[in-house]
Amino acid sequence: SQTIHQWPATLVQPVGSPLSLECTVEGTSNPNLYWYRQAAGRGLQLLFYSVGIGQISSEVPQNLSASRPQDRQFILSSKKLLLSDSGFYLCAWTIDSYNEQFFGPGTRLTVL
Amino acid sequence: RKEVEQDPGPFNVPEGATVAFNCTYSNSASQSFFWYRQDCRKEPKLLMSVYSSGNEDGRFTAQLNRASQYISLLIRDSKLSDSATYLCVVNMRDSNYQLIWGAGTKLIIKP
Repeated sequence: SQTIHQWPATLVQPVGSPLSLECTVEGTSNPNLYWYRQAAGRGLQLLFYSVGIGQISSEVPQNLSASRPQDRQFILSSKKLLLSDSGFYLCAWTIDSYNEQFFGPGTRLTVL
Repeated sequence: RKEVEQDPGPFNVPEGATVAFNCTYSNSASQSFFWYRQDCRKEPKLLMSVYSSGNEDGRFTAQLNRASQYISLLIRDSKLSDSATYLCVVNMRDSNYQLIWGAGTKLIIKP
């Protein structure tokens, strides 16, 4: 069966510090991968998605970036965090864009 | 107009009651529909897909009305454990077939 891992579970970072969140999927090949952010009490905002190694599409211009160095690895990064980057970051995978997505446990980021 | 709209609630419902949510979507060419459940401070989890003919899974029934562009979720004999936020999700061709998420409807089941 497929599993998706995210780490760390929680993170507290100062403004201006860098960020690296990692997501890995097991049990499937060539998945579509997604990074979402959810602000407190709000819906999911799609940040990036990837349909293959090295292929990244950005949905929202911001100070975040994403990379997919391996088929089942998706990384979210920032060089300098802003207060507004605080939120619940979720990684998800799917077989293709028509199908349901499955989420990792998420990383709760607080920028102080 | 938002692409996927839900009543944010909260819906306060006594245990054992039946509750229904609707969700409207803007793109008539949408092809995939889902209901997810999200517990507080947890990731969303798939509750059920929504098929054109409607589908049922235990106490949960989902229906699609393409003419009026909405999907519904009915929960019968509600349990305390049903308390959560229910997210409506739609696949839209205009968004390169990415899933578009509603903001969710909060459900609170009371003893």
